[in-house]
Amino acid sequence: IAGITQAPTSQILAAGRRMTLRCTQDMRHNAMYWYRQDLGLGLRLIHYSNTAGTTGKGEVPDGYSVSRANTDDFPLTLASAVPSQTSVYFCASTDRPGQSNEQFFGPGTRLTVL
Amino acid sequence: GQNIDQPTEMTATEGAIVQINCTYQTSGFNGLFWYQQHAGEAPTFLSYNVLDGLEEKGRFSSFLSRSKGYSYLLLKELQMKDSASYLCAVMDSNYQLIWGAGTKLIIKP
Repeated sequence: IAGITQAPTSQILAAGRRMTLRCTQDMRHNAMYWYRQDLGLGLRLIHYSNTAGTTGKGEVPDGYSVSRANTDDFPLTLASAVPSQTSVYFCASTDRPGQSNEQFFGPGTRLTVL
Repeated sequence: GQNIDQPTEMTATEGAIVQINCTYQTSGFNGLFWYQQHAGEAPTFLSYNVLDGLEEKGRFSSFLSRSKGYSYLLLKELQMKDSASYLCAVMDSNYQLIWGAGTKLIIKP
């Protein structure tokens, strides 16, 4: 693989179910991010990780959790999905946060919660 | 609060020039990014400005005025493939990106 991959590509989920969105990068980037993108709104940061073993809360963390056990993987878990979590989710990574390095984005996961 | 403003939608003609504006109010400033996002795809990096002035990269240029909290993206010799959304993002004092809602650019033949 090259870059960032996300799985699944899309998912329809019943409210109340648990769901994990997967994100893997092979660029050995230190920092990884989860965003959600909703129509008419900018990308909003859910959680981030500046390096393996550490995570932090973004702008909209409620209802979501993350882990960063190693450099490559950064899964996002919805413990009990609600319809307001219907969105497109993007995972991103960058080598060194806080500098001019661009963030690279995965292809996204389109999630619908009914 | 933190705020990034961009026009929602713009229309331009193939071969012409278009300027997409972005104004921002953020807690701290560590640079401004422009990304391109085609419908149904991921955002891809276009440019980064941290100092005042114009950065040129082929058909695309980006300008920054930190004192005015203002940036623009200039696209020259427009092509149909430039039809996309253009996202402005500011890196704040916590080194996190704050994103505008994006400008949808429609190119007409």
